[in-house]
Amino acid sequence: DIVMTQGALPNPVPSGESASITCQSSKSLLHSNGKTYLNWYLQRPGQSPQLLIYWMSTRASGVSDRFSGSGSGTDFTLKISSVEAEDVGVYYCQQFLEYPWTFGGGTKLELK
Amino acid sequence: EVQLVESGGGLVQPGRSMKLSCAASGFTFSNYGMAWVRQAPTKGLEWVATISYDGSSTYYRDSVKGRFTISRDNAKSTLYLQMNSLRSEDTATYYCTRVDYWGQGVMVTVSS
Repeated sequence: DIVMTQGALPNPVPSGESASITCQSSKSLLHSNGKTYLNWYLQRPGQSPQLLIYWMSTRASGVSDRFSGSGSGTDFTLKISSVEAEDVGVYYCQQFLEYPWTFGGGTKLELK
Repeated sequence: EVQLVESGGGLVQPGRSMKLSCAASGFTFSNYGMAWVRQAPTKGLEWVATISYDGSSTYYRDSVKGRFTISRDNAKSTLYLQMNSLRSEDTATYYCTRVDYWGQGVMVTVSS
């Protein structure tokens, strides 16, 4: 199985500051078709997960442009510019290159 | 508006069965692959199963293979998860998801 490993944030993050969440996969998620099979989600407290980024760097519909995804085949970053109160929650990366789909352990963002 | 509404959860004894349903609306259900993802209390996200748009292909995580069955009725725009031989470690909130849309989740508690 592909193992997804997420880094921690230096919580709490001051409001208005930027935050970067890292994710590493045990296998390259770059497909021969040129696409990288990585999603990012946010799960706010008490809510269902919400898709933020797909194909590593494409923002999902309705997602603020304060969120951006980048990376290589195995190392990925979700950047949140100017953190706001609504960004609080747990962030997950997920690979969908092959089954079983696997998630990172989650990275909690707290606001100062 | 896309909506996914799960039902069928509750308390069940170990070894018994339970069937979850997910009613979809606001999109052409038969055009999309669907999945179930679960989250044990205070834990992260765990993919359970995926089914192709037409039901011809299904995929399962190893721990549920042979016990769980994902299926769909495109005429009713409904996704199902039949869970047999339930174990305490299956206790979780189960989410129905199109990846870009998620239901509110339904709790399944396996306990005697």
